[in-house]
Amino acid sequence: NAGVTQTPKFRVLKTGQSMTLLCAQDMNHEYMYWYRQDPGMGLRLIHYSVGEGTTAKGEVPDGYNVSRLKKQNFLLGLESAAPSQTSVYFCASRSRGMNTEAFFGQGTRLTVV
Amino acid sequence: AQRVTQPEKLLSVFKGAPVELKCNYSYSGSPELFWYVQYSRQRLQLLLRHISRESIKGFTADLNKGETSFHLKKPFAQEEDSAMYYCALVTNAGKSTFGDGTTLTVKP
Repeated sequence: NAGVTQTPKFRVLKTGQSMTLLCAQDMNHEYMYWYRQDPGMGLRLIHYSVGEGTTAKGEVPDGYNVSRLKKQNFLLGLESAAPSQTSVYFCASRSRGMNTEAFFGQGTRLTVV
Repeated sequence: AQRVTQPEKLLSVFKGAPVELKCNYSYSGSPELFWYVQYSRQRLQLLLRHISRESIKGFTADLNKGETSFHLKKPFAQEEDSAMYYCALVTNAGKSTFGDGTTLTVKP
């Protein structure tokens, strides 16, 4: 019963490097989300998707891109990492419908030096 | 645009005391509201949803549309309630926004 799995769990990047974070869910959920969690700032929505092939911007989308080519996967890309992107990143998924529960991944701790 | 505000970043109470974590929202449509909890070294997990009007681990939350609030309450706090609590709003388009969170510490 995997639920929502994020890869990798930890990563250190140098400024200017690129990387992709993978979120995979096995619950056949339509909606998927990427958040970043910073001390004192809670969870901020980066991008989200309401279905395969669709994505939308959240509150803090700059510097990130996403893709949802397959329903079960939601990828978050950093093309040119900056120290300001040092954070813990969380992925979540939920099924379509009113008041459905969101299920979260374990988080990815990213440090950009 | 929707917004969720949790005015208290830190809240500290003694065991057995009542606790209230505040959540205010702004949204022009009909909101779906939730409380999520993150215990130390664990994933965020659902605590309550407004539609269910349920009590989970002794916590309740009532949606007050007039005051646009969804405060979380528990009459007698326990040490195991110490955690980070997030209020969340989901729009009818599926966009899910969280507040800044409140760290609750229950002292023995």
